[in-house]
Amino acid sequence: AQSVTQLDSQVPVFEEAPVELRCNYSSSVSVYLFWYVQYPNQGLQLLLKYLSGSTLVKGINGFEAEFNKSQTSFHLRKPSVHISDTAEYFCAVSDELNSGGYQKVTFGTGTKLQVIP
Amino acid sequence: DTAVSQTPKYLVTQMGNDKSIKCEQNLGHDTMYWYKQDSKKFLKIMFSYNNKELIINETVPNRFSPKSPDKAHLNLHINSLELGDSAVYFCASSQGLANYEQYFGPGTRLTVT
Repeated sequence: AQSVTQLDSQVPVFEEAPVELRCNYSSSVSVYLFWYVQYPNQGLQLLLKYLSGSTLVKGINGFEAEFNKSQTSFHLRKPSVHISDTAEYFCAVSDELNSGGYQKVTFGTGTKLQVIP
Repeated sequence: DTAVSQTPKYLVTQMGNDKSIKCEQNLGHDTMYWYKQDSKKFLKIMFSYNNKELIINETVPNRFSPKSPDKAHLNLHINSLELGDSAVYFCASSQGLANYEQYFGPGTRLTVT
């Protein structure tokens, strides 16, 4: 079964400092990988996704992530964070077929990014 | 114009009651989902419909019954509400399955007392 691990439940970082949010997945087949962001009291929105091709994926708001197949990781990075980046970040993976033959997306437990002024 | 909308935004009710949450998307998507997010922010898929057909039904009590009257709507009815049903419920939609971006609604915060 596929799974997603976000080891850091909370990451405090000072404004304008770089940040990396870690995501590891387990899967025996090719995967699709996603990062979503959830601002307070809102639904999730897509930051970026990896389907195939270049392992470095650029997303919205200056975020990027690198797919590393050998380490089964998809870490999210930003070189300089802003106060407005304070939010919950979810890594997600899709590969597994359910009993009906359909793929489903499994979300990690989330990492709360707290940007300190 | 809101892409994925849910009503109500807040729902406070007593144990044993029956309630419904409605979801509508105006994106023309074929696939819709219901997720449950608990107090620790853990997000778990409950159901997924593709072209009005139920394709994903995770281990959810049968007190929860989704209904898709058309591709743009996916409602969630919950019978005999329990304390453990308290959570935020998100509706989402996507153009297709799995490798497509999901668009989430604003959530419905359900509190069972």
